[in-house]
Amino acid sequence: EAQVTQNPRYLITVTGKKLTVTCSQNMNHEYMSWYRQDPGLGLRQIYYSMNVEVTDKGDVPEGYKVSRKEKRNFPLILESPSPNQTSLYFCASSFLQGYASDSPLHFGNGTRLTVT
Amino acid sequence: TQLLEQSPQFLSIQEGENLTVYCNSSSVFSSLQWYRQEPGEGPVLLVTVVTGGEVKKLKRLTFQFGDARKDSSLHITAAQPGDTGLYLCAGFLAGGTSYGKLTFGQGTILTVHP
Repeated sequence: EAQVTQNPRYLITVTGKKLTVTCSQNMNHEYMSWYRQDPGLGLRQIYYSMNVEVTDKGDVPEGYKVSRKEKRNFPLILESPSPNQTSLYFCASSFLQGYASDSPLHFGNGTRLTVT
Repeated sequence: TQLLEQSPQFLSIQEGENLTVYCNSSSVFSSLQWYRQEPGEGPVLLVTVVTGGEVKKLKRLTFQFGDARKDSSLHITAAQPGDTGLYLCAGFLAGGTSYGKLTFGQGTILTVHP
């Protein structure tokens, strides 16, 4: 089954403790992206990647890191999480995105992160 | 400041009513997408509009892209409880320097009561 898999689904951690949220897709998509979703703000793009070893900042990259060493994986790393990073995170992938592309984004089921 | 402003943010209607959700911007977009999201799941693409003035229909849903490509609307005819969910518009800025940067609106939470 074609899917985007995020792990974990739920994560509670403390301020400053490094964490990684994994994202894997099995559709051979070039494009992968991370979003955070907060009430009243919609989805805000954190980082995206057009292909292996190519990553770019989205609208809210501060406090996050990503890597794209393989096509299928795009982990999100929080080196020193803070309470304002408490949010619902989504990973998404598609065939190459941009401008007039109508390639649909396939989303994972989300990771709810709480930082205390 | 949101690049894409959706309105209304909340919509509560009775089954059978019609409704329209708006997605507006002062910027020009090369394409706009509409997604629907249910609780506990990621958004799912409904449609992409690319050409100014374009109208697309998906059963009871009609999507329109403004002539100037700065706005879009989603119209639902005879809403049903199964239409309940969060509706999101998203777009790529025209001529942007960040190829691949997709911007979302805040979303519209639609509740359709039986």
